Amino acid sequence: AQRVTQPEKLLSVFKGAPVELKCNYSYSGSPELFWYVQYSRQRLQLLLRHISRESIKGFTADLNKGETSFHLKKPFAQEEDSAMYYCALRTSGTYKYIFGTGTRLKVLA
Amino acid sequence: GAGVSQSPSNKVTEKGKDVELRCDPISGHTALYWYRQRLGQGLEFLIYFQGNSAPDKSGLPSDRFSAERTGESVSTLTIQRTQQEDSAVYLCASSSVGLAGGPEQFFGPGTRLTVL
Repeated sequence: AQRVTQPEKLLSVFKGAPVELKCNYSYSGSPELFWYVQYSRQRLQLLLRHISRESIKGFTADLNKGETSFHLKKPFAQEEDSAMYYCALRTSGTYKYIFGTGTRLKVLA
Repeated sequence: GAGVSQSPSNKVTEKGKDVELRCDPISGHTALYWYRQRLGQGLEFLIYFQGNSAPDKSGLPSDRFSAERTGESVSTLTIQRTQQEDSAVYLCASSSVGLAGGPEQFFGPGTRLTVL
């Protein structure tokens, strides 16, 4: 069965420190992976998608098919990065998305 | 109509009552999703509509849950004979289709349902 695992419920880092939010997936096909973010009192919104190979707000994520991972990284965390982050998988040929349970990132001053 | 809207924002009901939640997607978005988010848990897929195709209902947890969509506009999620375990935030999202790599989902603010 398809599954997305985010092992950390809460991740606290100091401002300026590197941050890595882990995401592992289980899917036998060719995955499409996303990171969504929800800032306090805001709606859930797309942060980035793997196919775009983009860097958004300093965040990047690389799809590692061998390790079935799509970890989200940022070299220097900022206080405004504090939010809830969700990793999501879309199975090929469908429009169905499977979300992980989310990781709350707290960036401490 | 800038984004996805949902109503009501909060709903408190008594166990056994029926509730109806509404979602207005972004105009022109042919895909519409419903998710459930229980406290401390991730988003749980419920149902998705795509144009005139039959909806994917594979995530509906029981036959007490149903959803409809009128054309490519409003959708309603109905929960009959509500139970306390139905308490959650219900999120609606819409998207266009056809974008390689997966279209972006635009989420509504959610409806917080509390079943007493």
